[in-house]
Amino acid sequence: GAGVSQSPSNKVTEKGKDVELRCDPISGHTALYWYRQSLGQGLEFLIYFQGNSAPDKSGLPSDRFSAERTGGSVSTLTIQRTQQEDSAVYLCASSSSGYRQFFGPGTRLTVL
Amino acid sequence: TQLLEQSPQFLSIQEGENLTVYCNSSSVFSSLQWYRQEPGEGPVLLVTVVTGGEVKKLKRLTFQFGDARKDSSLHITAAQTGDTGLYLCAGDTGKLIFGQGTTLQVKP
Repeated sequence: GAGVSQSPSNKVTEKGKDVELRCDPISGHTALYWYRQSLGQGLEFLIYFQGNSAPDKSGLPSDRFSAERTGGSVSTLTIQRTQQEDSAVYLCASSSSGYRQFFGPGTRLTVL
Repeated sequence: TQLLEQSPQFLSIQEGENLTVYCNSSSVFSSLQWYRQEPGEGPVLLVTVVTGGEVKKLKRLTFQFGDARKDSSLHITAAQTGDTGLYLCAGDTGKLIFGQGTTLQVKP
């Protein structure tokens, strides 16, 4: 079956613009995560969705960041009024249960 | 703030050499995971260690979880060029806390 997919793979935007990043998790996975990764660095947790529970938004760096998960499947991460420090790779992961998370290939965001 | 510190951050070795990557924290984790990430791709899980003192082997890779479940190590024997990549440890506290990664370059 298909893995986690993310779109777009690359996004270049101008400072101040809004961007939307999409994640399609593995079918049937109830948990979905968003992370941010700076070049060659570890992953910074952003937000976590689990089933119908309220999302864990504790990792969102500012109120310019928000995420939705519609119908328990596809998720969109929105960054409003982008800043240059938002430039990074945004990774999505999904999980059915237990420990293992399956990661997508990421969206590389560049803010000029 | 829970932190996982990995060392070294960058390692460049010749094919055939051995290496060890360390992951340390002052926090106790219920489990610890090791991932490998190649450029342009997401991390891929290599192993999960759960029990203090646990040792797991995956071909030439040996993973150890510290007795107190605060630290872990990854040892690679006779490294190959295909081992090149970014190695990440992640501790489970209900959500994953990632280390900053170790970039490994294995030269032929």
